[in-house]
Amino acid sequence: GQQLNQSPQSMFIQEGEDVSMNCTSSSIFNTWLWYKQDPGEGPVLLIALYKAGELTSNGRLTAQFGITRKDSFLNISASIPSDVGIYFCAGQGSGYALNFGKGTSLLVTP
Amino acid sequence: DGGITQSPKYLFRKEGQNVTLSCEQNLNHDAMYWYRQDPGQGLRLIYYSQIVNDFQKGDIAEGYSVSREKKESFPLTVTSAQKNPTAFYLCASTLTGEWLMGGQPQHFGDGTRLSIL
Repeated sequence: GQQLNQSPQSMFIQEGEDVSMNCTSSSIFNTWLWYKQDPGEGPVLLIALYKAGELTSNGRLTAQFGITRKDSFLNISASIPSDVGIYFCAGQGSGYALNFGKGTSLLVTP
Repeated sequence: DGGITQSPKYLFRKEGQNVTLSCEQNLNHDAMYWYRQDPGQGLRLIYYSQIVNDFQKGDIAEGYSVSREKKESFPLTVTSAQKNPTAFYLCASTLTGEWLMGGQPQHFGDGTRLSIL
């Protein structure tokens, strides 16, 4: 498997600000997933994308499956302190396994 | 409640010792996975199993072994051949059939942190 290019590596923002992060790959994926991980816990699924061009929202979170099928972004609007954590993108090609980005660490100050 | 249970939460290994990490799921999922996570890194696949009594190596299988004797259980053994075993280990599962059709993606346990004494 390959690791995806996820950016930024970290973000330090104030409560209320919007956040944007993205992932790119040299390979085409059939599915893009976004997970959030809190310290010492397993990743929790936020949004799943199954179709190129798809734009999906989950509360304050919005994610898109890029048209080229090689990229995806996640936006968080009006950030709050509990948004703190590490956000991972993951892509799935033709096999069962997921390919993960290295994560974006988000810190939110009140 | 349905979910994925990993135990123990913390595990310590002595040099030259094998240790086994437990992963149990009551979600009736077909496929199970083991990942390793190092600080500042994404998750890397160690082994995965699509059905009982069958499993395949992932990207970093050297020094690890698994078994899948029951659908609910997928234990991971970290052998003495794994020279850098200190990491956070995550188990995941999914319904294989739905996954192929773009259905349920992988769901994770809360992990086991392994350290060397």
